[in-house]
Amino acid sequence: AQSVTQPDIHITVSEGASLELRCNYSYGATPYLFWYVQSPGQGLQLLLKYFSGDTLVQGIKGFEAEFKRSQSSFNLRKPSVHWSDAAEYFCAVGAPGGYNKLIFGAGTRLAVHP
Amino acid sequence: GAVVSQHPSRVICKSGTSVKIECRSLDFQATTMFWYRQFPKQSLMLMATSNEGSKATYEQGVEKDKFLINHASLTLSTLTVTSAHPEDSSFYICSASKRENEKLFFGSGTQLSVL
Repeated sequence: AQSVTQPDIHITVSEGASLELRCNYSYGATPYLFWYVQSPGQGLQLLLKYFSGDTLVQGIKGFEAEFKRSQSSFNLRKPSVHWSDAAEYFCAVGAPGGYNKLIFGAGTRLAVHP
Repeated sequence: GAVVSQHPSRVICKSGTSVKIECRSLDFQATTMFWYRQFPKQSLMLMATSNEGSKATYEQGVEKDKFLINHASLTLSTLTVTSAHPEDSSFYICSASKRENEKLFFGSGTQLSVL
């Protein structure tokens, strides 16, 4: 069965530090992969997605993610974190039947220290 | 960008009552809407897919009679939790897309607490 694992429930970084959020997936075919961010009281916003092609994907707000098939991973990175990046981040994989039917990870809550 | 409005953002109700949650696409027509449920510290779990003018498709394990979904127009889908019980307390989120397999836009969610 398809699944998504985000090993880190909570991460704290200092402002200006680099960030990497981990995501591992289990999927039988070439996956459609997504990263979403959810700020308090707001809906989920798409940061970036991977369907095919270049395995390093650039997203909004300075985020990028790298698809590594051999490791079944799709880790999210940012070279320098801003205080406004504090939020919950969800990795997701497109389920069979269309990439709209997303399977989400449990999320990683990011706290940013000044 | 496209906006999806979800209402109410928070609702508290007594056990046995029914609660309706609305999901509206404000500036686009959504042929497909999705309903998710999220328990604390857990993933968003897809409950059902709602297509305008047709019956919703429920995921395995989701009770159709408990969670009634109506997608009566291209801008509105509703989720009614019938005869709510404390175990139905959860965070419910909707999402919508203009067309199948297009970008999803999410509502801000509804926190349901059943006493």
